[in-house]
Amino acid sequence: GENVEQHPSTLSVQEGDSAVIKCTYSDSASNYFPWYKQELGKGPQLIIDIRSNVGEKKDQRIAVTLNKTAKHFSLHITETQPEDSAVYFCAASNVGSGGGADGLTFGKGTHLIIQP
Amino acid sequence: NAGVTQTPKFQVLKTGQSMTLQCAQDMNHEYMSWYRQDPGMGLRLIHYSVGAGITDQGEVPNGYNVSRSTTEDFPLRLLSAAPSQTSVYFCASSMTYSNQPQHFGDGTRLSIL
Repeated sequence: GENVEQHPSTLSVQEGDSAVIKCTYSDSASNYFPWYKQELGKGPQLIIDIRSNVGEKKDQRIAVTLNKTAKHFSLHITETQPEDSAVYFCAASNVGSGGGADGLTFGKGTHLIIQP
Repeated sequence: NAGVTQTPKFQVLKTGQSMTLQCAQDMNHEYMSWYRQDPGMGLRLIHYSVGAGITDQGEVPNGYNVSRSTTEDFPLRLLSAAPSQTSVYFCASSMTYSNQPQHFGDGTRLSIL
């Protein structure tokens, strides 16, 4: 089955600086890569996603890049703000590729801390 | 719209007891799923359903049962609770499959003593 590795587990940045979180996946058939933000006591909330036919996607201060050859994708947050502090999860899905359960495989999460 | 609603929010059980975690969505989504979240483990798929009457196993299905009699509801049953099932459980839904934006509930925090 799919395996998703996420780094770093904790990331502390100064307010206004950029943050980058990286994930690698093992199944070359994976074709959908979402990123979720989870605040304390809440469920994960989708912040951005990318499909395997696209190399980069941007939404205001958030961007995701995908390198299918290397099987890795990254989340970029620019001009970080205190409200960006949370746990971020990457995930992968290979639904439609002909094998495995129809669900997301998650990384173990990155605790992002924005220092004032 | 309420989105995805999970009840209860907290529950403490004794080993061997049974219980049902409820999940309901009001978005007419076909796909629903259950995940468990353990410290340092991310979220792991327990069971999922692509429509009423259809369920299938995920990565960690042992000790859990599901059914999907309506589009709106997807309950998760623990038949005989074990301490290893202490976790936070999340229900999610999307239009059709897992390769679409998932809407998560706020979770049920379950402790098995």
